[in-house]
Amino acid sequence: QKEVEQNSGPLSVPEGAIASLNCTYSDRGSQSFFWYRQYSGKSPELIMFIYSNGDKEDGRFTAQLNKASQYVSLLIRDSQPSDSATYLCAVTSRYTGANNLFFGTGTRLTVIP
Amino acid sequence: EAQVTQNPRYLITVTGKKLTVTCSQNMNHEYMSWYRQDPGLGLRQIYYSMNVEVTDKGDVPEGYKVSRKEKRNFPLILESPSPNQTSLYFCASSFSGQGVYEQYFGPGTRLTVT
Repeated sequence: QKEVEQNSGPLSVPEGAIASLNCTYSDRGSQSFFWYRQYSGKSPELIMFIYSNGDKEDGRFTAQLNKASQYVSLLIRDSQPSDSATYLCAVTSRYTGANNLFFGTGTRLTVIP
Repeated sequence: EAQVTQNPRYLITVTGKKLTVTCSQNMNHEYMSWYRQDPGLGLRQIYYSMNVEVTDKGDVPEGYKVSRKEKRNFPLILESPSPNQTSLYFCASSFSGQGVYEQYFGPGTRLTVT
């Protein structure tokens, strides 16, 4: 069983729409949850992290965490063509500490102008 | 500028020829890590280091070695590269501890082993 699962996509949304990216994880003891964005051929860059149940908002981005369901999502409001990228979900493990991240395979998002 | 640097950025080599990919960070981070990224498999951790002289295996350590003699450097060594080590490699660093810390990634090294 994979530690972190994401739909690979591609997910296509029109410009201005809300993009919804989902991630499930297997370790019930995971503490922290991260969303990274990766443009093609580039390195991952952190969008936001969340560690408490509920929603966390940062500009056009909202992360949602439901530990009971082992589910974390990222909403991108007013999607822009520049948001077209692969979005990586990452979680920490209670077994390997707060620094080690386990990544999903990523969801490729395309925002259509 | 705070950054993680990797060298070389691109490398084509032959099976069995030892190589080293360097990684350096200027943020005084305790934690450093190496990942490989392959299509359909995502980012997988190779080795990590919590501090100088402290290293441990990640998910896919076979065929790789690391060392951490200085806080800023964390080289990845392939003693006898094989074609299945053809991949995109990323080095990352962060502060360590009980808090939540962002991992900063280097620009990546694209390795081809023929």
